[in-house]
Amino acid sequence: DAGIIQSPKHEVTEMGQTVTLRCEPIFGHNFLFWYRDTFVQGLELLSYFRSRSIIDNAGMPTERFSAERPDGSFSTLKIQPAEQGDSAVYVCASRRLDRGSYEQYFGPGTRLTVT
Amino acid sequence: AQSVTQLGSHVSVSEGALVLLRCNYSSSVPPYLFWYVQYPNQGLQLLLKYTSAATLVKGINGFEAEFKKSETSFHLTKPSAHMSDAAEYFCAVALAGNTPLVFGKGTRLSVIA
Repeated sequence: DAGIIQSPKHEVTEMGQTVTLRCEPIFGHNFLFWYRDTFVQGLELLSYFRSRSIIDNAGMPTERFSAERPDGSFSTLKIQPAEQGDSAVYVCASRRLDRGSYEQYFGPGTRLTVT
Repeated sequence: AQSVTQLGSHVSVSEGALVLLRCNYSSSVPPYLFWYVQYPNQGLQLLLKYTSAATLVKGINGFEAEFKKSETSFHLTKPSAHMSDAAEYFCAVALAGNTPLVFGKGTRLSVIA
């Protein structure tokens, strides 16, 4: 299997700009998760999808964050406008729908730096 | 709601010594438990998982973990540390069903020659 692809690997942007991060999950994985990894909080779940439907986005820190998965395959996480406190590594994960298959597979992350 | 506590944000061992990374969980139902490892500049990789079968679970690279319900623990061990084991290790829990993993804050393992 090809792994999860996240792009870009590193994003540097200025406060007030719009940031769009992309995740392409493993083919056939129905669930897709967005996490944020910070030194202080560790890995925090932001939102997750089953197919194209968002199941839970309660972890999104503010309304500046939004996620989409329009056709049930790739997903985008948008931050609009970006703030310095958003600097972190954003990690995408996916898993199959099968019963008994609970492990998630993780992408390498996108390191976001907001100046 | 479930949660995970990893005791010790940083553990240092000598090469060849026992590795013990601690993980305690809280869950209202019997959980599914996982250990993941993250090497520098790489994504998280599954090390091993407990899914209500055998309580002693063997993983990759010689690691194993034992589920102890009475202690609500799922500690990770390896008899003899190798330099290549230096990484960050994350314990995670999920309820049975289609719920996301909840992670501990991670333990960074250093191996000293």
